[in-house]
Order: sequence, then structure tokens, then C-alpha cells
Amino acid sequence: LAKTTQPISMDSYEGQEVNITCSHNNIATNDYITWYQQFPSQGPRFIIQGYKTKVTNEVASLFIPADRKSSTLSLPRVSLSDTAVYYCLVGPPLGGGNKLTFGTGTQLKVEL
Amino acid sequence: DAGVIQSPRHEVTEMGQEVTLRCKPISGHNSLFWYRQTMMRGLELLIYFNNNVPIDDSGMPEDRFSAKMPNASFSTLKIQPSEPRDSAVYFCASSSGTENTEAFFGQGTRLTVV
Repeated sequence: LAKTTQPISMDSYEGQEVNITCSHNNIATNDYITWYQQFPSQGPRFIIQGYKTKVTNEVASLFIPADRKSSTLSLPRVSLSDTAVYYCLVGPPLGGGNKLTFGTGTQLKVEL
Repeated sequence: DAGVIQSPRHEVTEMGQEVTLRCKPISGHNSLFWYRQTMMRGLELLIYFNNNVPIDDSGMPEDRFSAKMPNASFSTLKIQPSEPRDSAVYFCASSSGTENTEAFFGQGTRLTVV
């Protein structure tokens, strides 16, 4: 599985846009990039997944450059409730018996 | 669907006792994952099943840990005998067999071994 590197922590203020970048230099051809969010005392929750270019949903956007060696999770106009740990995962799709491996994640703290 | 259901939510036990954690995956999902989370080691994948068959148990810490999935709707993670260093939050997750799918996590079981 491709190794990922992301900042340990980030601070922001309400209403700001937050961009969390993940490096994955040895990403494989069939690997997807997936982000999960985890609140204290809860299990991780899927946010967004992409293969290349840009993906957007109601929660976030995911930007993936052409070489796919990095990706950026963009959270528009964060609020206090976005304070959580964000994990970047790189690997083949779960279908077919593949596993889901988490790294250390980025602790995002949003303040007033 | 009620999502992935884990029980108990909290467990306090004495060192040396047997502990059994339970998980009910989402109906129709054919992959099931067990994780352990601690401050020191983060989220560790212990074992995962596909179609009720264990695929990779390389994350299981030692022989004191065992996991079973007797059918598609139930899995257990057993620790015997338990030790204080097993104290952690244990998560179960499930996913469907389709491509580009996501995993759904339960609320976790907080285990404290004293």
C-alpha cells in the first residue's frame, strides 16, 4: 500500500477555507485516494474519494494533480463542528477483499 | 439500516478475564474489518473478512486475540486472557463488494482492562 504523509495538525477559524494536503509518491495505477473524518468518540466517516482531477460533493472537494503523487482535501467555510481528525488513504478499491489502512491523520482545530 | 452495530459500548474487565466484542455489519455488506485505536498507535487494522472468510489477520497482536465471522451478519473479536495494554477503542467496519465503495464504522467498544 502506498505510504501517505500529511500534516499532524492544522488550525483554522470559522468561515475559512481549509486545505489539507497529502503526499503519496508511490501511488499505484489502480489506487484511489480516499479521505475519512473522525470525531472524538466516534468511528471514522467517509468524506470523499477520487482517482484523478477534481471531485466535489456536498461536504468537500478533492484536488488531484495529473501525476497523482499528492492530493488536497478542501473544506469550504469551516465551522467549529469540522474540528476532527482527517485521514488520507491510498489504495485499491475496497471491493474484492482489499483492506483499508489508516495513517496518523491530520488533527484540524477550528476556532471562533 | 441502523448501520454497523457494536456491543457492548463500554467494557471494563479485570486482567486475565476473557473479553468478547461483538459486531453486526450492515446487511448486504460482504467485507468486515476490526480495528483498534489508541493514542499511541492510532487506528490499527487487526483483521478483515471477505464473504465471512478471514483474508488478512497479520494485524492481530498475538495469540490472545481471535476473531470469527460465523455468518454474514455477525462477527466477534475475543481477547483471552486480557491485559491492561489491550485497553483501547475497538471499531468494527463493513463495506459492500462493489468497486469504489466506502467503509461504514460502528460506534466502537471502549475496553478498559484493569
